[in-house]
Amino acid sequence: DVKVTQSSRYLVKRTGEKVFLECVQDMDHENMFWYRQDPGLGLRLIYFSYDVKMKEKGDIPEGYSVSREKKERFSLILESASTNQTSMYLCASSSGQGHTDTQYFGPGTRLTVL
Amino acid sequence: GQNIDQPTEMTATEGAIVQINCTYQTSGFNGLFWYQQHAGEAPTFLSYNVLDGLEEKGRFSSFLSRSKGYSYLLLKELQMKDSASYLCAGMDSNYQLIWGAGTKLIIKP
Repeated sequence: DVKVTQSSRYLVKRTGEKVFLECVQDMDHENMFWYRQDPGLGLRLIYFSYDVKMKEKGDIPEGYSVSREKKERFSLILESASTNQTSMYLCASSSGQGHTDTQYFGPGTRLTVL
Repeated sequence: GQNIDQPTEMTATEGAIVQINCTYQTSGFNGLFWYQQHAGEAPTFLSYNVLDGLEEKGRFSSFLSRSKGYSYLLLKELQMKDSASYLCAGMDSNYQLIWGAGTKLIIKP
């Protein structure tokens, strides 16, 4: 079974803090994604990566950056957290063998910015 | 613009059948996904349709009509554990997923 893990289930930070969210997958997947999920809205793509050291902006990259130094690990960074970044953050991975391959999700990190 | 529409909430009875509809507008089309998400948990893959018709997988079936921009997820013999949100997502010409807001399904005994 594919396993995607995220470093924290719940996180509370203060405005202006730098925040790191870590995601690790154990299936040698090429593709990794970061989404945020807010009530009443669909998942929104923040950034994705098709290979080590590669990153692409999604629909809402502002205020975020990412890092993929190793194939299995994809980090989301909030340079200076703001209250409007309070959300559920979901990481996903897919094999990359086909364009339409299934995305597998981690359990999510619920971030609260005070 | 790109858009996925699905009902916000539905209620059904244990043992019954429920159909969750989804309409989509995407720039190009490379398939339609359904995911299940229990409260506080990760979305998990249920089905993928790219051709018209019905795909059956146990108690769950998914239907697609490309000409109508329409899909539905059919759940039979409902069980209490089926209480969850069901997310519809269309894949556009860039192979990016466009997500609906999800349908919260409440199952009553």
